[in-house]
Amino acid sequence: DVKVTQSSRYLVKRTGEKVFLECVQDMDHENMFWYRQDPGLGLRLIYFSYDVKMKEKGDIPEGYSVSREKKERFSLILESASTNQTSMYLCASSEPPTDTQYFGPGTRLTVL
Amino acid sequence: TQLLEQSPQFLSIQEGENLTVYCNSSSVFSSLQWYRQEPGEGPVLLVTVVTGGEVKKLKRLTFQFGDARKDSSLHITAAQPGDTGLYLCAGARGGSNYKLTFGKGTLLTVNP
Repeated sequence: DVKVTQSSRYLVKRTGEKVFLECVQDMDHENMFWYRQDPGLGLRLIYFSYDVKMKEKGDIPEGYSVSREKKERFSLILESASTNQTSMYLCASSEPPTDTQYFGPGTRLTVL
Repeated sequence: TQLLEQSPQFLSIQEGENLTVYCNSSSVFSSLQWYRQEPGEGPVLLVTVVTGGEVKKLKRLTFQFGDARKDSSLHITAAQPGDTGLYLCAGARGGSNYKLTFGKGTLLTVNP
């Protein structure tokens, strides 16, 4: 079975802090994704990566950056956390030619 | 922007009832996935449909992909409390675009 793990299930940070969310997948997938999920807005794509060191902006990249130094690990960085970044953050991976995405358990981030 | 409209947004039924959830778009998708998400967890893949007109069954769940590959439905027979969760549909364009377009989900509650 594909396993996607996220470094924290719950995280509380203060406004202005730098926040790192880590995601690791164990199936050698090429593609990795970061989403945020908010009530009434559904899943929104922040960034995705289709190879090591390669990244593309999703629908809402502002305020976020990403890093993919190794194939199995995809990090989401909030350079200066703000209260409107309080959300559920979900990481996913997939492997061509299938478009099916496998999700981690999510990180519930609260920014105070 | 491709949109996937899911309906209904909320559904509360009694154990043993049948229900259908719809996922509609004006865009054609190469495949469509259905996920279920339980509170505090990431979405878990239920099924992927690829061929127009395809019907897949997963125990009491029946998934159908429209002939034109623009819409899909999920039918649950004799719903049980364990079916409670957020049901998400997601469409893929295929090719080199690995991104999925997600619907906002249907929140199903099955009461004992």
